[in-house]
Amino acid sequence: DADVTQTPRNRITKTGKRIMLECSQTKGHDRMYWYRQDPGLGLQLIYYSFDVKDINKGEISDGYSVSRQAQAKFSLSLESAIPNQTALYFCATSDLGIGELFFGEGSRLTVL
Amino acid sequence: SQKIEQNSEALNIQEGKTATLTCNYTNYSPAYLQWYRQDPGRGPVFLLLIRENEKEKRKERLKVTFDTTLKQSLFHITASQPADSATYLCALPTSGGYQKVTFGTGTKLQVIP
Repeated sequence: DADVTQTPRNRITKTGKRIMLECSQTKGHDRMYWYRQDPGLGLQLIYYSFDVKDINKGEISDGYSVSRQAQAKFSLSLESAIPNQTALYFCATSDLGIGELFFGEGSRLTVL
Repeated sequence: SQKIEQNSEALNIQEGKTATLTCNYTNYSPAYLQWYRQDPGRGPVFLLLIRENEKEKRKERLKVTFDTTLKQSLFHITASQPADSATYLCALPTSGGYQKVTFGTGTKLQVIP
């Protein structure tokens, strides 16, 4: 089983719908992140969390919200999806200090 | 904020040759720099980390250099193989601390048999 699991892997939805992307990890890391990747733009940080009680906005948090339900679970929500949120979304975890990031396999979201 | 530049053009190289990828950054000097590999549709995979006080780091066929004067890191793959074909991303701390990183847009490497 993967250390960082994202669900769903693919989702097609319509404008205005609420969408939740879920991430769970078995690495025991405190730090979790949500990134968005668009062709030519690289990875952009949406939100990050350093422990269950800590939530921080990243570079592009508008239109997104997150929930850290437990050390192992970090969910990303789009309250009212719009077409320009069509992208590949990645969850990642890291340990303390200068930690390498461990990424999930990604969730491809298409908003029509 | 940190600005990172990686060659957006794909790099095509013959199998067996050394591939060299460049990562340039502006603004402050980071405490470290990371390199990741990403295959199409997959999550990035960590390869190497080099600290500001290290000039060079090696791992098997991979070598990374870090020149804080030039504000540049070079990533080398020696004896390249078709399986090395992927996009390679560099990442630096977003601020002077260690809390989060900013990624470059990556350089796509194609190793031709």
